[in-house]
Amino acid sequence: DARVTQTPRHKVTEMGQEVTMRCQPILGHNTVFWYRQTMMQGLELLAYFRNRAPLDDSGMPKDRFSAEMPDATLATLKIQPSEPRDSAVYFCASGLTRTVNTGELFFGEGSRLTVL
Amino acid sequence: SQQGEEDPQALSIQEGENATMNCSYKTSINNLQWYRQNSGRGLVHLILIRSNEREKHSGRLRVTLDTSKKSSSLLITASRAADTASYFCALSQNEKLTFGTGTRLTIIP
Repeated sequence: DARVTQTPRHKVTEMGQEVTMRCQPILGHNTVFWYRQTMMQGLELLAYFRNRAPLDDSGMPKDRFSAEMPDATLATLKIQPSEPRDSAVYFCASGLTRTVNTGELFFGEGSRLTVL
Repeated sequence: SQQGEEDPQALSIQEGENATMNCSYKTSINNLQWYRQNSGRGLVHLILIRSNEREKHSGRLRVTLDTSKKSSSLLITASRAADTASYFCALSQNEKLTFGTGTRLTIIP
């Protein structure tokens, strides 16, 4: 049963600490998206990759957020230093896209981050 | 904004009734998709409609797309309690997928 796996599922940390969230996309998928969901802002697109190359990370606060794909089976989203306003649920999604027409995305269960 | 906007924000109906949600957007799109999110879970893809299509069906779901009005609707027929969830439209534009604000649907048994 192929699925997107995210870790950790829950993370509570203190302001100023580094947070790393990990995502294992579905094997064979070539696009990976990171979203952040809050009650106030809804689902915000942070960054996305195609064939491991970052295509757009304009949705991320560059000074503290970074997203990478060290290999095809792992995507990471790092926040350093974390702030209370980063508290949200972070979703990773993967898909198979052969053109500019983004197809169906498969979402992980999310990483719920609380920054105190 | 590249996001879609769903309307209504919240909808409560009796089980068995039909539920209709709308999505409006401002820019051109490659395709439009609808997703469902149960509380505390990730989003699940429901249906995709291409920009050159006007209507699509999948089981109890019917999606329409009017590119001249830049709007789409999702109809769920014969609603069930298990349909209670949030529903989002998503716009595919130049390799990125952005989501709307969502409609929270509650089905009353």
